[in-house]
Amino acid sequence: AQSVAQPEDQVNVAEGNPLTVKCTYSVSGNPYLFWYVQYPNRGLQFLLKYITGDNLVKGSYGFEAEFNKSQTSFHLKKPSALVSDSALYFCAVRDTAAGNKLTFGGGTRVLVKP
Amino acid sequence: GAVVSQHPSWVICKSGTSVKIECRSLDFQATTMFWYRQFPKQSLMLMATSNEGSKATYEQGVEKDKFLINHASLTLSTLTVTSAHPEDSSFYICSASDRGKNAGELFFGEGSRLTVL
Repeated sequence: AQSVAQPEDQVNVAEGNPLTVKCTYSVSGNPYLFWYVQYPNRGLQFLLKYITGDNLVKGSYGFEAEFNKSQTSFHLKKPSALVSDSALYFCAVRDTAAGNKLTFGGGTRVLVKP
Repeated sequence: GAVVSQHPSWVICKSGTSVKIECRSLDFQATTMFWYRQFPKQSLMLMATSNEGSKATYEQGVEKDKFLINHASLTLSTLTVTSAHPEDSSFYICSASDRGKNAGELFFGEGSRLTVL
């Protein structure tokens, strides 16, 4: 069975500082990995995905993530956080051996302080 | 990009009534749609997988008679919460898989907040 872990419930960072949101996964096949962001009372917005190819994936709004197969991690990063990045972030994995079903991590709330 | 629309965004109903939530793929055909439930400050829990023209596949612990799912066309899936009770109050989110150029990627609706009084 596939699973995703986001070890931090909340991450606090000052505006302008680097932001990292951690994610580790477990799958039986090859993983498709995703990051989504959710603002209050809204659906999920896609940030980026890793399917294959370069381990460093660049996505929307200046975010990027690095796929590390040996550590089974897919941490989300942004070099310089903005107050507007404050939101709930979800990591998700799709096991290629398990169809299109996405499994989500528990979510990490990011608070960027001015 | 592909757009998924959910309606209504908000709904308040009395206990015992049924509520229907629609999920539409606006600019692509979706053979598969997924319905999630999200409790406050929690992650998304997959409720069921909806396949066009066939019965939905429900996750363990989800009552199929309570949460009726219909996927009658390639652009529309509906979730009906039957005989709703206050414990059914939640944020429901659908997602759709694009069978076309973005095959394999999931697109999410804006969610529907259900409050049962």
